[in-house]
Amino acid sequence: EAGVAQSPRYKIIEKRQSVAFWCNPISGHATLYWYQQILGQGPKLLIQFQNNGVVDDSQLPKDRFSAERLKGVDSTLKIQPAKLEDSAVYLCASSPPTGRASYEQYFGPGTRLTVT
Amino acid sequence: GQSLEQPSEVTAVEGAIVQINCTYQTSGFYGLSWYQQHDGGAPTFLSYNALDGLEETGRFSSFLSRSDSYGYLLLQELQMKDSASYFCAATPPGKSTFGDGTTLTVKP
Repeated sequence: EAGVAQSPRYKIIEKRQSVAFWCNPISGHATLYWYQQILGQGPKLLIQFQNNGVVDDSQLPKDRFSAERLKGVDSTLKIQPAKLEDSAVYLCASSPPTGRASYEQYFGPGTRLTVT
Repeated sequence: GQSLEQPSEVTAVEGAIVQINCTYQTSGFYGLSWYQQHDGGAPTFLSYNALDGLEETGRFSSFLSRSDSYGYLLLQELQMKDSASYFCAATPPGKSTFGDGTTLTVKP
């Protein structure tokens, strides 16, 4: 089966500009996660969707970050305006809806964002 | 809040056994997962423990003790390709939390 797809793979923007990332999860996976991973740190959960509803967004900086999941499938994460500290890899992951397998997250290749 | 503590670095030689520890403080804890991440790559799932005890998957095993809020990943017969970062993650429903990872270096 196809894995989690993300685009773009790399993005360089200037501070105060806006940027958007796209994620297509594995077919049938109800749960979708967006993580921010700064170099040398573990992935930090930004937002988690169950189908098209938000389960947790407590660590999403809502003054500049927004995310949506259209029709419970694809998702976009937007940053507006970007700051230097937003430079990181943005990872999208998905997992099946129920059972023990729901604890296994499948990650996409990530988008490496550089803010100058 | 939630936090997971892991050693930052571990070094071992090819063919050896290494243990990577993880202690956690979380609310509503359901289980502990382990992920491997090579430089420039995405995290890949290794194992999950919902119950106390040892889970074995090939050369990798993972252990959980809920009473001690502690778990570990055991890697046997180390190979050069095992050089990577290893993350433990707490998986309560609604919010997953990752540790900052342990960088494993395998030397010949």
